[in-house]
Amino acid sequence: NAGVTQTPKFQVLKTGQSMTLQCAQDMNHNSMYWYRQDPGMGLRLIYYSASEGTTDKGEVPNGYNVSRLNKREFSLRLESAAPSQTSVYFCASSEGRTVTGSYEQYFGPGTRLTVT
Amino acid sequence: AQSVTQLDSQVPVFEEAPVELRCNYSSSVSVYLFWYVQYPNQGLQLLLKYLSGSTLVKGINGFEAEFNKSQTSFHLRKPSVHISDTAEYFCAVTRRGGGSYIPTFGRGTSLIVHP
Repeated sequence: NAGVTQTPKFQVLKTGQSMTLQCAQDMNHNSMYWYRQDPGMGLRLIYYSASEGTTDKGEVPNGYNVSRLNKREFSLRLESAAPSQTSVYFCASSEGRTVTGSYEQYFGPGTRLTVT
Repeated sequence: AQSVTQLDSQVPVFEEAPVELRCNYSSSVSVYLFWYVQYPNQGLQLLLKYLSGSTLVKGINGFEAEFNKSQTSFHLRKPSVHISDTAEYFCAVTRRGGGSYIPTFGRGTSLIVHP
């Protein structure tokens, strides 16, 4: 059971380049999330997918797009990278609507992105 | 809307001393409460959670937290810390009955344990 996996672990981009961050979970979770973490700012939600086939904006969606490819996979795309998008990106998953009482999130190891 | 305030950005403490990390929240509805821990260069992992029932919740690694509804607080405590507890700690709340259970996170408290 790998939990939540993210690729790549590190990435350096030049301003204007594009890239896709990949995330997959093997826990059969309904909901998936993308966060960015910046010093002193905690975690800020970029986009989330409450269930397969749906996506919604979070707190800081500008400059990003997402795709819920299937129940397991949720990717984050930067179409034209900017230095302000230098950050650590975390993917997370949770059961979502559940009768089992498990509402916590499970996080991947993160992707460290630098945009120069 | 809900918000979370972690009152200390950094808490330095000596090994084997007790520690309390403070968390206050505001919400117009009932919430679920969580503490997560993030070790250096890793993702977050759940430390403990309060959903209902006893207001004193025990988690992993000897941590516990107490839900105080009247003071809207959920402070994290450990009676004796180890060097290995050095990490970032995040308090989070999720609205009960919400459609997608999206949590609101605090900004984090860095616990630094000195030998």
